[in-house]
Amino acid sequence: ILNVEQSPQSLHVQEGDSTNFTCSFPSSNFYALHWYRWETAKSPEALFVMTLNGDEKKKGRISATLNTKEGYSYLYIKGSQPEDSATYLCALSNTGNQFYFGTGTSLTVIP
Amino acid sequence: EAGVTQFPSHSVIEKGQTVTLRCDPISGHDNLYWYRRVMGKEIKFLLHFVKESKQDESGMPNNRFLAERTGGTYSTLKVQPAELEDSGVYFCASSQVRDISTEAFFGQGTRLTVV
Repeated sequence: ILNVEQSPQSLHVQEGDSTNFTCSFPSSNFYALHWYRWETAKSPEALFVMTLNGDEKKKGRISATLNTKEGYSYLYIKGSQPEDSATYLCALSNTGNQFYFGTGTSLTVIP
Repeated sequence: EAGVTQFPSHSVIEKGQTVTLRCDPISGHDNLYWYRRVMGKEIKFLLHFVKESKQDESGMPNNRFLAERTGGTYSTLKVQPAELEDSGVYFCASSQVRDISTEAFFGQGTRLTVV
């Protein structure tokens, strides 16, 4: 079992603010890191899959970085909007295609 | 292309009853996973099928939980008898084995409430 930790557990920001949160994981035996966005009553939606140290991915106002040597990934949201409110999950996958999830960061963007 | 679908979306049962959850993965996906999220806690792995075989069931909490995937298509997760602590959201996900960046696609989950 791989221990994946996310912080903070919850976050409230004002509309227009930029924000970021962290996913930490064991740096040994790294395979791939996944970020998901999960809105209540919907399926978790895949945002990014990151595999290489130093990877940076971007989708609109959301971007992510990866440091496999120190075992962390950051997710950034620039200019938060109310529709960004969701739980953001990170998951580590191993060679056996198993996914280990963190507890998630619940983001609320206040209009 | 249809995504991962789960039935029912909600289920409320009494302690001691039996409930069966169903997951239909994306067609052609060999990997099928079950996860559970108990209120306020992380999403926890239950088990992983590759086609009809159980690849890893180390996350199954106890023998009241039984998962099957006959024919390697849809899967069922039966809880018998249900206990209060089984309440939570049960997610199913599927993926196809391709390469290092294979991603899993999730269903909407079944919210189980045991009263």
